[in-house]
Amino acid sequence: DTGVSQDPRHKITKRGQNVTFRCDPISEHNRLYWYRQTLGQGPEFLTYFQNEAQLEKSRLLSDRFSAERPKGSFSTLEIQRTEQGDSAMYLCASSALSPSVSTDTQYFGPGTRLTVL
Amino acid sequence: DQQVKQNSPSLSVQEGRISILNCDYTNSMFDYFLWYKKYPAEGPTFLISISSIKDKNEDGRFTVFLNKSAKHLSLHIVPSQPGDSAVYFCAASAENSGGSNYKLTFGKGTLLTVNP
Repeated sequence: DTGVSQDPRHKITKRGQNVTFRCDPISEHNRLYWYRQTLGQGPEFLTYFQNEAQLEKSRLLSDRFSAERPKGSFSTLEIQRTEQGDSAMYLCASSALSPSVSTDTQYFGPGTRLTVL
Repeated sequence: DQQVKQNSPSLSVQEGRISILNCDYTNSMFDYFLWYKKYPAEGPTFLISISSIKDKNEDGRFTVFLNKSAKHLSLHIVPSQPGDSAVYFCAASAENSGGSNYKLTFGKGTLLTVNP
C-alpha cells in the first residue's frame, strides 16, 4: 500500500504567477485534506473533500485558492496570482471514514514546498 | 487564538531515558487527539492517537496519556532513541454535525533531540 504522494515536491515561482499542486491519496481513502504549514507553526487546515464533494473551506483559503477532486481520487490545489505570503509547505492528507469508525486518522504526504519570489 | 498549545519548543533527552512531550488544549469540544512526528522536508508521520473516552493508549515505546479535566495530554517515549529526534506535533479534532471527526488543529510542535 503506497502512501500519500504529492507533486511537485518543490516549486519556485515569481509573484503573480499561477501554480498548481497535485495530491494522490492512499487508494480507497474517501477523505482528502489540504493543510498549509509555515515556519515555526503547525499545519493549518485549508479544506477537505469527502469523495468528490468539498465539504469545508477555511477562511485561510482566499479567492485566489481553489481545490478540486473531480473523480474522488486525486486532488489539485491551484493558487492564482501568487503572493510572497503564499510561501509555505502545502500538505495533503487522506483518511478512510467508514460507518463503523467515527474518528479520523489522517496520513500525510511529503508536502510541496512553495517559494514565491 | 491557539486552541492547541505545546509550550516547550524543544526538549533534549539522553538515549535510553524517558521523553515526555506535553500538550494543552482549550477547546472542550475536542474529543480525538493525535501525535505526529516530523522530520525536516517531510510530511508529518502518524504516531499514536487517543479518544476522549480513554485516558491512556500504548503502542510499543509510545504511550499517550489524556487528562480531560486538565485539558492536557502527554506523549511518553521509553526508551528514547537517537532516531526519535524530530519535531513532534500534537493535534486535536472535534466531532462535526455529521457525527464524525475531521479537520485537525495542530500545536506548534516540540523539537525532541535524543543524545547518544
